[in-house]
Amino acid sequence: DQQVKQNSPSLSVQEGRISILNCDYTNSMFDYFLWYKKYPAEGPTFLISISSIKDKNEDGRFTVFLNKSAKHLSLHIVPSQPGDSAVYFCAASDLSGAGSYQLTFGKGTKLSVIP
Amino acid sequence: EPEVTQTPSHQVTQMGQEVILRCVPISNHLYFYWYRQILGQKVEFLVSFYNNEISEKSEIFDDQFSVERPDGSNFTLKIRSTKLEDSAMYFCASTGGGYGELFFGEGSRLTVL
Repeated sequence: DQQVKQNSPSLSVQEGRISILNCDYTNSMFDYFLWYKKYPAEGPTFLISISSIKDKNEDGRFTVFLNKSAKHLSLHIVPSQPGDSAVYFCAASDLSGAGSYQLTFGKGTKLSVIP
Repeated sequence: EPEVTQTPSHQVTQMGQEVILRCVPISNHLYFYWYRQILGQKVEFLVSFYNNEISEKSEIFDDQFSVERPDGSNFTLKIRSTKLEDSAMYFCASTGGGYGELFFGEGSRLTVL
């Protein structure tokens, strides 16, 4: 049961161009969404998040867009840099629920930024 | 910057042996978690812990698994009798609550032979 889906296992982008990573979810109770970045042999590192009351959140080169009606979110990285090469995980949480802040992760998308 | 620390970074064990993975969450955090990632698969929730008790657990977290916060700083995951399929990277995470941003440790790789 994949409640959070990242349908692209990998993505290659030229340095300086835009990287767009996509994520779909099925659970309408999710109300908080996060993107994590993971390098090999390291734990996931929080990147950016968005609450369901917003449709966009921006932090420097990173922007997350949320389309609640489509149950879709995306992460835009502009401009992409070689150091952005990592696996990106989309995660979702139901903060209105029992309150354990459990995250449900997608399978990840491996981004390769080519110099 | 505060961080979640995990030990050991890698443990190799024989099937049927008990394993304890240790974590030191960020000191003022209140919610603690274990996740795991089997090689090539997604990060999966195992268990959450709040106020000295389990608040949620997944179907993966069966009777072979237990968690403990023995001394107010450590948070441990015990696997009583390891199976081959327990081989994975185990991540500890913590949060102070609020908007659910979890901070992850670097992981403990468990290899069951």
